[in-house]
Amino acid sequence: QSALTQPASVSGSPGQSITISCTGTSSDVGGYNYVSWYQQHPGKAPKLMIYEVSNRPSGVSNRFSGSKSGNTASLTISRLQAEDEADYYCTSKTISATPYVFGTGTTVTVL
Amino acid sequence: QVQLVQSGSDVKKPGASVKVSCKASGYTFTNYAIHWVRQAPGQGLEWIGWINAGTGDRQYSQTFHGRVTLNTNTSATTAYMYLSSLTSEDTAVYYCARNPPGSTWADYWGHGTLVTVSS
Repeated sequence: QSALTQPASVSGSPGQSITISCTGTSSDVGGYNYVSWYQQHPGKAPKLMIYEVSNRPSGVSNRFSGSKSGNTASLTISRLQAEDEADYYCTSKTISATPYVFGTGTTVTVL
Repeated sequence: QVQLVQSGSDVKKPGASVKVSCKASGYTFTNYAIHWVRQAPGQGLEWIGWINAGTGDRQYSQTFHGRVTLNTNTSATTAYMYLSSLTSEDTAVYYCARNPPGSTWADYWGHGTLVTVSS
């Protein structure tokens, strides 16, 4: 099972919006509404930001939103803030013998 | 509050085995599953496997070719990950994370355990 494909880096200025893509196949992202997104700051454990494609856990800012079209899921961060600078990972359930797979990860830089 | 407290850092020689523990508190242990995820230095997240703490059902990533075993001790509310035949490529931070029932995501994570494999 190959990792889901994410851009290595995305950057934006404070106040702008950015979108991170997560591309898989019909055997994972496209086949299930079980895409989650995690934020990870350096030296810290990941934090759940979005689950089941577009749902936000309690306590997560509404500046974070998720969507999916076909085999590609997306995480959008609106009104970008300095604290959003981190690594972001998508994950999806898969049909394969390995039932879950992470994305390759995206580093978000706030300019 | 929900807490997952992992065992401390460990150093192992190539070919050895390692056990990482994950002590859960603040919720009913057997109502949730536990994911295990690792992250090699400077690399991304890699899913290892998960275990349903109530039923004992478990699934593993095929990447580990049978080298990994997940267990729980429900009376101690602790999950364990055993990884055998270690190589330098197993050097990583290993995380446990709680999976709510009927879901596929991890809502609480442990702080991570650094396992270093070196001769």
